[in-house]
Amino acid sequence: QKEVEQNSGPLSVPEGAIASLNCTYSDRGSQSFFWYRQYSGKSPELIMFIYSNGDKEDGRFTAQLNKASQYVSLLIRDSQPSDSATYLCAVWQKVTFGTGTKLQVIP
Amino acid sequence: GAVVSQHPSRVICKSGTSVKIECRSLDFQATTMFWYRQFPKQSLMLMATSNEGSKATYEQGVEKDKFLINHASLTLSTLTVTSAHPEDSSFYICSARDGGEGSPLHFGNGTRLTVT
Repeated sequence: QKEVEQNSGPLSVPEGAIASLNCTYSDRGSQSFFWYRQYSGKSPELIMFIYSNGDKEDGRFTAQLNKASQYVSLLIRDSQPSDSATYLCAVWQKVTFGTGTKLQVIP
Repeated sequence: GAVVSQHPSRVICKSGTSVKIECRSLDFQATTMFWYRQFPKQSLMLMATSNEGSKATYEQGVEKDKFLINHASLTLSTLTVTSAHPEDSSFYICSARDGGEGSPLHFGNGTRLTVT
């Protein structure tokens, strides 16, 4: 089992819709969870981090963490074409990234 | 916010030569920096953890004699790709934390290495 798993996509959503990205992790002792966005040919940039169970909102982005089920998700409301990118889930204890989910927002 | 600067952004070199990539934390001190490699359409792969004042920790399968890491100060880590071959062509990215182990990583802009 991979340490951090994501569906590679592509996930296609129409402009204005909610995009839902999911990630599961194997290390039950993980304490810190991050979502990064990576545009093609660029390095990752931090979008959200979450440490506690529940939801954390920042603008159009909401991170959700469920430690009992070992999953973390990212919701993007009112999706825009500029949100089209690969979204990387990251979990540490050990600095581990998922393979990323490619999101396509269709105008 | 925390800024990580990486240089050069792009380099082309001939087979057999060595290339040095610099990673600097501009507004914070980083005792630990991380070096990643990313091939096209693939995920980030951690190569090594760079520790200030001590030896780097390499991930399994990464040749420490080929990828030399030096972390001589709290704001600078360097990765030298020695005797480069075309298969070393990749996107190399460094990152660092500006806090404890649970804090986010901040990434440099990456270096695209092409070995001809």
